[in-house]
Amino acid sequence: EAGVTQFPSHSVIEKGQTVTLRCDPISGHDNLYWYRRVMGKEIKFLLHFVKESKQDESGMPNNRFLAERTGGTYSTLKVQPAELEDSGVYFCASSQGGTAKSDTQYFGPGTRLTVL
Amino acid sequence: LAKTTQPISMDSYEGQEVNITCSHNNIATNDYITWYQQFPSQGPRFIIQGYKTKVTNEVASLFIPADRKSSTLSLPRVSLSDTAVYYCLARGGFKTIFGAGTRLFVKA
Repeated sequence: EAGVTQFPSHSVIEKGQTVTLRCDPISGHDNLYWYRRVMGKEIKFLLHFVKESKQDESGMPNNRFLAERTGGTYSTLKVQPAELEDSGVYFCASSQGGTAKSDTQYFGPGTRLTVL
Repeated sequence: LAKTTQPISMDSYEGQEVNITCSHNNIATNDYITWYQQFPSQGPRFIIQGYKTKVTNEVASLFIPADRKSSTLSLPRVSLSDTAVYYCLARGGFKTIFGAGTRLFVKA
C-alpha cells in the first residue's frame, strides 16, 4: 500500500510568487493534516481536515495560506504571495480517523520550500 | 496540550540498549504518549504509543509510571541505522504538538 506522497519534493520560488503544494494521503484515510518546520524551529501544526471539511485551522499563520481538500481525497496548500519567512519543510500526514487516541498519523516525506 | 521535555541529544554504541526519557508534568487525563522517529529528509514515523504501564512492539518498548508524569522509550540493541531524532508527544486530540526531540547518534 502506498504511503503519503507529496509533490513537489523541492520548490524554489521568488518572494511574491505563488506556490501550490500537493498531498495525497493514504487511500481511505479521512483525516489529513499539514505541518511545517521553518529553519531551526520545531515542527508546527497548520491544520486538520476530516474528509473535505476543515476541522482545525488554528495553526495557519496568516491569510496568505489557503488549504483545500476538494472531494476529500488529495489536498493542496497554496501560499500566495510567498514571503521569505515561508521557507521551510511542509509535511502532510494522514490517518484513518475514529477516536483521537487511536489516531496514528502517517507522514509524507515533506516538500522543501525555499523563497528567495 | 501538555508540554514535553526530553534531552536534546544522546550518544550510544551499536548493540547497546538506549533509553530516552521524556518529562510531561502537565499531562492531561485523556492524553496518550506517542513517540515518533525522524530521519533526515523524511517525515516523522510512528514508533509506539501508550497510556500507562508498559507497551512493547517489534521496534521498541514504552514505560509509563503510574503518575504518568514521565515516560521512557527503550530501543533494544541499537544499530547505526537508528541514528535519528526521536520525538515524545503527549496527545489528547488530533492536533499533534512536536517538541525539539532527542537527537540520537549511534556510533560503531
